[in-house]
Amino acid sequence: DGGITQSPKYLFRKEGQNVTLSCEQNLNHDAMYWYRQDPGQGLRLIYYSQIVNDFQKGDIAEGYSVSREKKESFPLTVTSAQKNPTAFYLCASSGQGRSYEQYFGPGTRLTVT
Amino acid sequence: SQKIEQNSEALNIQEGKTATLTCNYTNYSPAYLQWYRQDPGRGPVFLLLIRENEKEKRKERLKVTFDTTLKQSLFHITASQPADSATYLCALDIDLTGGGNKLTFGTGTQLKVEL
Repeated sequence: DGGITQSPKYLFRKEGQNVTLSCEQNLNHDAMYWYRQDPGQGLRLIYYSQIVNDFQKGDIAEGYSVSREKKESFPLTVTSAQKNPTAFYLCASSGQGRSYEQYFGPGTRLTVT
Repeated sequence: SQKIEQNSEALNIQEGKTATLTCNYTNYSPAYLQWYRQDPGRGPVFLLLIRENEKEKRKERLKVTFDTTLKQSLFHITASQPADSATYLCALDIDLTGGGNKLTFGTGTQLKVEL
């Protein structure tokens, strides 16, 4: 059963704490992405990785960090430096080459109080 | 600056009618444009991709047009059903050197199909 999994579905943290969101895929995709979605706004790209051990900043990378040690995994850490961390976080993956659709995970809703 | 605009207001239509959603963009020259469906609390699901040299693409009850002169894409759902109720996102597709693609999303249009 191929796809992308994100865990947990809901996550609650206190302000000032770092938190890591999990993203795993078994689609054998090289490229993986992290997006943030806020009410009334489109998805915004945080980080992306086109190959293992390499990743690039997206449009809103400040306050976030990632790693890509394995092809299947692309965890996102929301650090205490992120000013407004409460949001819906979506992980996606795609094949290499031109015009591939992206496959999204179910998302993690993070609430920081 | 680059901008993607979708109908900000929700679109309510009657079952059986054709729903038409609009995606306008400025300051982009995308090679491709993609449409996704998103249900509340879930990740988007890919629906259709259209290339810059294609005027129209169809899949079952779905049709997408792409006018690079007007910088606009229209997304049509014919014979709409209540199950089509969702938020529909358009995304401009920019290929990345080295593989993969970067999608820039619009804010989405919420469609509600009523009985």
